[in-house]
Order: sequence, then structure tokens, then C-alpha cells
Amino acid sequence: QTVVTQEPSFSVSPGGTVTLTCGLSSGSVSTSYSPTWYQQTPGQAPRTLIYSTNTRSSGVPDRFSGSILGNKAALTLTGAQADDESDYYCVLYMGSGISVFGGGTKLTVL
Amino acid sequence: QVQLVESGGGVVQPGRSLRLSCAASGFTFSSYGMHWVRQVPGKGLEWVAVIWYDGSRKYYADSVKGRFTISRDTSKNTLYLEMNTLRAEDTAVYYCARCYGSSSTPPGYWGQGTLVTVSS
Repeated sequence: QTVVTQEPSFSVSPGGTVTLTCGLSSGSVSTSYSPTWYQQTPGQAPRTLIYSTNTRSSGVPDRFSGSILGNKAALTLTGAQADDESDYYCVLYMGSGISVFGGGTKLTVL
Repeated sequence: QVQLVESGGGVVQPGRSLRLSCAASGFTFSSYGMHWVRQVPGKGLEWVAVIWYDGSRKYYADSVKGRFTISRDTSKNTLYLEMNTLRAEDTAVYYCARCYGSSSTPPGYWGQGTLVTVSS
């Protein structure tokens, strides 16, 4: 069973830069996994930030960017703001119709 | 603008069935694959099922395979999730979501979710 890994938590200072990652328990993440990133605040539906590795969804500020770093997908936030404090999830497409979510990263801005 | 509105959630006893619906608008429903994703309150997201744009393929998470059935009605622009033999661990908010691109892509647009509680 393939597990998608994310840092459970991360903190960043206001105005700072943080990179969250999305990896595999076995193997490397590539663009063929169509890495996609979501932001979710309590009580709200997820909001799509980045799809297809590095394409920003409509209305998403360019402070958010996606990439492949080494053997993982990465979400980089530059110029963190207080309202960026959220849970962030990645999902990877495994083929044969199957998508697998990571466990999520709780980002604190302080 | 893409709109997805789920309905059909509620409280159901273990072993019983429930059908969720998702009304889609703002895009050509017959052109996109659709997902169901669930989230236990306070926990992470779990992918449940996907159906191809034309209904020709359906795939399920192991946790629901054989109990849940995803389907779609293009004439009504509606996605369904038939849930049978429900268990306590199926308690979650269920989201429908549209693929961001082709049917083999992850969710890109989300509904607001509907809560299913399995309890006696």
C-alpha cells in the first residue's frame, strides 16, 4: 500500500518563506503523478491551490508555487500572511483511476 | 463558475444504506470525470471513488470497494454515491469534486460537503 507523506506540521514567520513537501513511502514523485495541492481551513471545503505540479488555480495568489524538489512534490509559500494559516493537503494520481491524499500539513504563521 | 451541491447526508444506522447526490452546474458535466472524497471530522482527506466522464470506468478505494457505488446521470447533471452496509468508520463529511482536467486527474473543484453519521 503506497503512502503519501507530508510533514504533520510546520511554522513560518509572517513575511517568511516555507516549503511543504509531498513524498512517497516508496519511490520518487514525478510530474506523472499530477501532484495537486489544497488549502483547507476549519469547517470549510478544500480549495485547490496548485494542480498538475505547478499550475496555479484561478484566483490563487502568486505567493503560492508548486514544483518537484528532489524526489518530492513541493508547495512553496513566499511572503506568508496570517490568513495562510491552514491545513495543506497534497494528492497524487497513482494510475488506474486511484488518487491518494497525503495526511496533511498544519501550517502555523507566527 | 463551477458549482457542486451535495445532498442526502444524515444519520443512519450501521448496516443500512444511504444515497448521496451532487448537483453540478457551470460546466459541461458530460465532459469531466467526478470524484467523491470524504473527511472524518478533525482528520485528513480520503479519496473514495472516481467515475469517468462518460461513466465507462469507475474506481474505488479499498475501504469502500464492494459496498459503495458511484454513478452519474448526465440528463440531470447529477453525481451519486450509493453507500451500502454502512459502518461507524464511514462517518465523515462527503465531498463531490470535479476533475481539474481529464478523467484521470485529481479533484480540482469542490462542493461544500454533506455530513454522514453512522450510529445506532
